[in-house]
Amino acid sequence: AQTVTQSQPEMSVQEAETVTLSCTYDTSESNYYLFWYKQPPSRQMILVIRQEAYKQQNATENRFSVNFQKAAKSFSLKISDSQLGDTAMYFCATWGPGTYKYIFGTGTRLKVLA
Amino acid sequence: GAGVSQSPSNKVTEKGKDVELRCDPISGHTALYWYRQSLGQGLEFLIYFQGNSAPDKSGLPSDRFSAERTGGSVSTLTIQRTQQEDSAVYLCASSFLRGGQATHLNTGELFFGEGSRLTVL
Repeated sequence: AQTVTQSQPEMSVQEAETVTLSCTYDTSESNYYLFWYKQPPSRQMILVIRQEAYKQQNATENRFSVNFQKAAKSFSLKISDSQLGDTAMYFCATWGPGTYKYIFGTGTRLKVLA
Repeated sequence: GAGVSQSPSNKVTEKGKDVELRCDPISGHTALYWYRQSLGQGLEFLIYFQGNSAPDKSGLPSDRFSAERTGGSVSTLTIQRTQQEDSAVYLCASSFLRGGQATHLNTGELFFGEGSRLTVL
């Protein structure tokens, strides 16, 4: 079975500081994808960053980067230079080509403090 | 439109009434998903469509819930005889995913609508 665990229900960070959100997963897929989605208070979920499991290099998107540790099945998100607009719920998710199902974690609510 | 469109944005109904929630996915997206999100909680999978077929309806909470998709495009989620526990945000998402396989068009990304907030009084 595929599972995604986010152990931090809530976090806060000062503006301009760096924060890391944790995610661990389990999957039977040999080739899979990992995602971080952001859901701001406006409700629409958007993709933050994506990682293919076969790629060893960690994905980066501007201030967002991941620490992908395949053997440990860990996929954490680092947000650098945090901004007030980063305040949102963040969901970790996995998907594999062998299945149609995206498996989401329970989310981490991040608050950026001015 | 360019994105996934859902309607209504907000719906308040009385217990026992039927409601219909609509999702218009991104043009050309073959896969369509419905999720339910209770206040401040994670995403609960409801149903998945590939084209007009629903290979997996296992997430539908009860037989009061049904969904259909026509023309490989618009989907409607229907909740009959609504109960207070049905109150939630219903999210629709679409993707290029074809039969569980990634394609050159599919980065694996799900594109979400803004959701329909249902309140059952």
